[in-house]
Amino acid sequence: TAGITQAPTSQILAAGRSMTLRCTQDMRHNAMYWYRQDLGLGLRLIHYSNTAGTTGKGEVPDGYSVSRANTDDFPLTLASAVPSQTSVYFCASSLGPGGNIQYFGAGTRLSVL
Amino acid sequence: RKEVEQDPGPFNVPEGATVAFNCTYSNSASQSFFWYRQDCRKEPKLLMSVYSSGNEDGRFTAQLNRASQYISLLIRDSKLSDSATYLCVVNLQQAGTALIFGKGTTLSVSS
Repeated sequence: TAGITQAPTSQILAAGRSMTLRCTQDMRHNAMYWYRQDLGLGLRLIHYSNTAGTTGKGEVPDGYSVSRANTDDFPLTLASAVPSQTSVYFCASSLGPGGNIQYFGAGTRLSVL
Repeated sequence: RKEVEQDPGPFNVPEGATVAFNCTYSNSASQSFFWYRQDCRKEPKLLMSVYSSGNEDGRFTAQLNRASQYISLLIRDSKLSDSATYLCVVNLQQAGTALIFGKGTTLSVSS
């Protein structure tokens, strides 16, 4: 079972370059999320989508954009990467928004130099 | 006050020990409660949901105290494989919100 898949697994990116982190789920979950996890700061929500065609801002949305053209895919784009965006990025999904259990992808480790 | 607070640890215990983690949350309207487990450099995975009456899953027991806004996780007979970071998670039962994660408590079980 695939569940939720993220790509790439890791990436080194030059500052100022753009990049899209991919996230795909095959569970037909309505809600999807992007988090970043930094040492000492825990998981912080970047953007979320409660259903295809809608998105919302989380706790740390600046410098990131998302789209939700269909149920399965929820890409995260860094338009012009900065070193402070060096982090581990996790995509997650849940059957519905709110208090539903979330299932996570394996993460993308991004280094911006 | 932070939304979800946990003692970061680390908790260093020998195999077979019983260890308890505590977590407090700030929003009295929180409706859903979970414990997630995260292994080093891996994604968080659901360990167990926490129900109002308390619940048990093998060696793991979760308790919820709504009056004190307090959640606990008890691990009995610790195994080496229990070594991980345990995340306390709460949420408001509203659309447009996501889970709120504590920063985690690190457990190290040694032989």
